Amino acid sequence: AQSVAQPEDQVNVAEGNPLTVKCTYSVSGNPYLFWYVQYPNRGLQFLLKYITGDNLVKGSYGFEAEFNKSQTSFHLKKPSALVSDSALYFCAVRPTNNAGNMLTFGGGTRLMVKP
Amino acid sequence: EAQVTQNPRYLITVTGKKLTVTCSQNMNHEYMSWYRQDPGLGLRQIYYSMNVEVTDKGDVPEGYKVSRKEKRNFPLILESPSPNQTSLYFCASSLWSNQPQHFGDGTRLSIL
Repeated sequence: AQSVAQPEDQVNVAEGNPLTVKCTYSVSGNPYLFWYVQYPNRGLQFLLKYITGDNLVKGSYGFEAEFNKSQTSFHLKKPSALVSDSALYFCAVRPTNNAGNMLTFGGGTRLMVKP
Repeated sequence: EAQVTQNPRYLITVTGKKLTVTCSQNMNHEYMSWYRQDPGLGLRQIYYSMNVEVTDKGDVPEGYKVSRKEKRNFPLILESPSPNQTSLYFCASSLWSNQPQHFGDGTRLSIL
C-alpha cells in the first residue's frame, strides 16, 4: 500500500528566510508526486507536480520541490518566505502504474511565516 | 470561470437522516473524486470516478455511495449518516487521473 509521511505538523520560519516542508513517500514502482496548499475555508490548490524528468520541479508562487528517488523524498522549498505563504501544505502520491488513481495524501504541515 | 462547486457548504443533521452532497464541475473533466479531511489524517479518498458510469472505492468508502450519471456531476450520498462521518468533505476533478486536481471549497458536515 502507498503512503505519505509529513513528519512536521508545523514549520515556523521568519519572513525572508528559506523554507522547507518535508515529505517522504512509499509506493510500488515509480511515483507521481504532488504538492497542494490549503488556505482557511478553501479547497486545496495545486502547487506543483513531479511526473518524470528533472528532479527539481518549479511550481506556483515561487515554490519548488526536489525529487530524491533514493531517499523517497519530495521536499517543498522556497528561497524566501512571505507572510502570505502561511497555510496548510499537503504532499500526495500515486503510483504511475495505477490506472485507478488511488491518490494518497500526507497528514499536512502547517507553515507559519512570521514578519 | 473553471470551478468545482459543492453544495451545501455547511450542514448539521441527525443520525440516520439520508443526505446528499452535490458536486459539479464545468471543465469537462473525466476524473472526479471525493475526499474527507480530518485533523492529523490529511485527506482520505472515499470514492472516485474515471468516467461516466465508472466508479470505484477509495480508502474509506464505508457508509458512502456515489453515482456518475453525467460527466459534470458526482454526488456523494450518505444513506444513514452516523456521527463518525462528521467531517470536512471535498470534491475534486481533473482531466485525467494523473493530472492535478481542482478542488471545491468543501462541505462541513456535522452528524448529531
